[in-house]
Amino acid sequence: DIQMTQSPSTLSASVGDRVTITCRASQSISDWLAWYQQKPGKAPKLLIYKASSLESEVPSRFSGSGSGTELTLTISSLQPEDFATYYCQQYNSYPYTFGQGTKLEI
Amino acid sequence: QVQLVQSGAEVRKPGASVKVSCKASGYPFTSYYIHWVRQAPGQGLEWMGVINPFGDDTTYAQRFKGRVMMTRDTSTGTVYMALSSLKSDDTAVYYCARDYYGSGSPERYWGQGTLVTVSS
Repeated sequence: DIQMTQSPSTLSASVGDRVTITCRASQSISDWLAWYQQKPGKAPKLLIYKASSLESEVPSRFSGSGSGTELTLTISSLQPEDFATYYCQQYNSYPYTFGQGTKLEI
Repeated sequence: QVQLVQSGAEVRKPGASVKVSCKASGYPFTSYYIHWVRQAPGQGLEWMGVINPFGDDTTYAQRFKGRVMMTRDTSTGTVYMALSSLKSDDTAVYYCARDYYGSGSPERYWGQGTLVTVSS
């Protein structure tokens, strides 16, 4: 199985900050990576797929980059509604696997 | 619009089984795969497996093989996930999710989740 390691596990930031979350894969996944946002009590929401493709209606302050074994999610200017938990997921091969999550807090 | 509506919360004793349903609507049922993902309280997301509603073929995560079965009913547009030999650490919210654009794509549309509690 491909292991996904996210860092940091927790990130403290303020409104307006630029933040970056990193996901490292145990083997190359090319750009078969998705990023999800999850708020308490809600289902995950797809933000980015194929490493850098922005899902429709997702604000452009979210961006993804990278390929191979190191990929990143960047939020350029944090808004109050962005404080949530973020997960990466590889879909290069089954079993799909998630990172352990990054909790973004104020 | 695409909708996935899951069955309600369940409580089971250790060793029992549970079957969660996921009724799909708003798109051609057999054209997109359905995944199951679970989340234990306060924990991260765990991918369990996937079913192709067209051919009924399935792929399961190794740790669930022998305990999980995913099936579908094309007449009602419903997918089922059955988990047997339940243990307390199977307590979790179970989500079904439709993939984005077919095989080899991530989960785009999610059900509301079904809480399964395993307790004696």
